[in-house]
Amino acid sequence: EIVMTQSPATLSVSPGERATLSCRASQSISSNLAWYQQKRGQAPRLLIYGGSTRATGIPARFSGSGSGTEFTLTISSLQSEDFAVYYCQQYNNRPPWTFGQGTKVEIK
Amino acid sequence: EVQLVESGGGLVKPGGSLRLSCAASGFTFSSYRMNWVRQAPGKGLEWVSSISSASTYIDYADSVKGRFTISRDNAKNSLYLQMSSLRAEDTAIYYCAMTTATNHKFDFWGQGTLVTVSS
Repeated sequence: EIVMTQSPATLSVSPGERATLSCRASQSISSNLAWYQQKRGQAPRLLIYGGSTRATGIPARFSGSGSGTEFTLTISSLQSEDFAVYYCQQYNNRPPWTFGQGTKVEIK
Repeated sequence: EVQLVESGGGLVKPGGSLRLSCAASGFTFSSYRMNWVRQAPGKGLEWVSSISSASTYIDYADSVKGRFTISRDNAKNSLYLQMSSLRAEDTAIYYCAMTTATNHKFDFWGQGTLVTVSS
C-alpha cells in the first residue's frame, strides 16, 4: 500500500498570503495525484488532478506541482473561502487508492 | 448538473447489516466508474470500494473485504453498498463519488450518509 504523508498538519495563514502544502508518497506515483478541498460539514471537492491540472471551475490561484514522490499545492493569495482542510490522494496503478491525513489551513 | 444523493445510513448494532444507496442524476450513470469513500468522525478520508461502469471490475479496501459488497443498477441510476458484520470502526460518513476518466480520482461527491455502529 502506498502511504501518503502531508505536511504540515495545520497551516496558519493570513488572508491574501500564499499557502504551500506538501504531500509525499512512499513510492513513486508518477503524476497520479489529486488534491481535494473539504470545508466543515461539506463533502470533499476535487481541485487538482494529474499533479497539476485544475479541475473544472477551480480558480487559477490554486496550482499543483510535482511528480514521483513529492508534490505541492499552492494557493497564491488566500481568500476567506479557502480556509478548509486539504487532502492529497494517489491513484497510481492499482488499489488501494490512498489519501494523506490532511492539512488544515486556518486563519492566522 | 451532476447530483449524487446517498441514503440508508443510520444506527446499527455491532454485527448488524445495512444497505446504502446512491441516486445519481445529471449524467450518463452507466458510463462511469463509481466509488464509496468514508470518513470517520473527525478523521481523514478512506477509499472503501470501486465498481466499473458495467460492474466488470470491483475492488475493495482490505478493511472491508469479505464484509461489504458494492453493486449498481444502471437502469435505476443507482449505486449500492451492502454492509454486513459491521464493527464500531465502520462508523463514518459514507460518500458516493464518481470517476469520470480511466484513472481513479474522485471527480464528484455526494453529501454523504452517516453510519453509526454502536450497541
